[in-house]
Amino acid sequence: KQEVTQIPAALSVPEGENLVLNCSFTDSAIYNLQWFRQDPGKGLTSLLLIQSSQREQTSGRLNASLDKSSGRSTLYIAASQPGDSATYLCAVIMEYGNKLVFGAGTILRVKS
Amino acid sequence: DTEVTQTPKHLVMGMTNKKSLKCEQHMGHRAMYWYKQKAKKPPELMFVYSYEKLSINESVPSRFSPECPNSSLLNLHLHALQPEDSALYLCASSQLRSRSNQPQHFGDGTRLSIL
Repeated sequence: KQEVTQIPAALSVPEGENLVLNCSFTDSAIYNLQWFRQDPGKGLTSLLLIQSSQREQTSGRLNASLDKSSGRSTLYIAASQPGDSATYLCAVIMEYGNKLVFGAGTILRVKS
Repeated sequence: DTEVTQTPKHLVMGMTNKKSLKCEQHMGHRAMYWYKQKAKKPPELMFVYSYEKLSINESVPSRFSPECPNSSLLNLHLHALQPEDSALYLCASSQLRSRSNQPQHFGDGTRLSIL
């Protein structure tokens, strides 16, 4: 059974810092990995999707990497801003299914 | 603005009521999903529809009844719910994975409270 773990559970940083969120998964037979953002009381916004054959994806100040063989992904946020404050969720889809398996998330607070 | 629209945004109902949650998307996606999310927890998959047919039921109690009337609409019919069913219910849609490697798009959810 796939298990997805995110570290840290919560993070508080001053504005302008670069930061890294970590995601690990136990079964490397994944189809893709996605990073989502969720604001309080809202739905999920897809940030980046990395296919299993890719190593990284970039969008603006966000960069996500994937090391499928070691079961790890990182989300790098450059020059953090208060508007980045949210919960960040990592999720994988397995090669043999259509189900997103989520980690518990990292709650990020960027202080101004 | 989200491309997946869910109504209502909030719903309070008694344990004997019957209500429905609605979800709509116009992105041409042929896979649609219902998730349940409890406070401070990640979303948990409930149902998946592919080409308007139920393809996955994650052992959800029968008091939750999904329906996909057409490729753009997804409903979740609720009956005789329990207080522990109070949660945020999220709808999502995506292309079928056989055709693309695209993310799931989520709506803003319906906040459901059972009295």
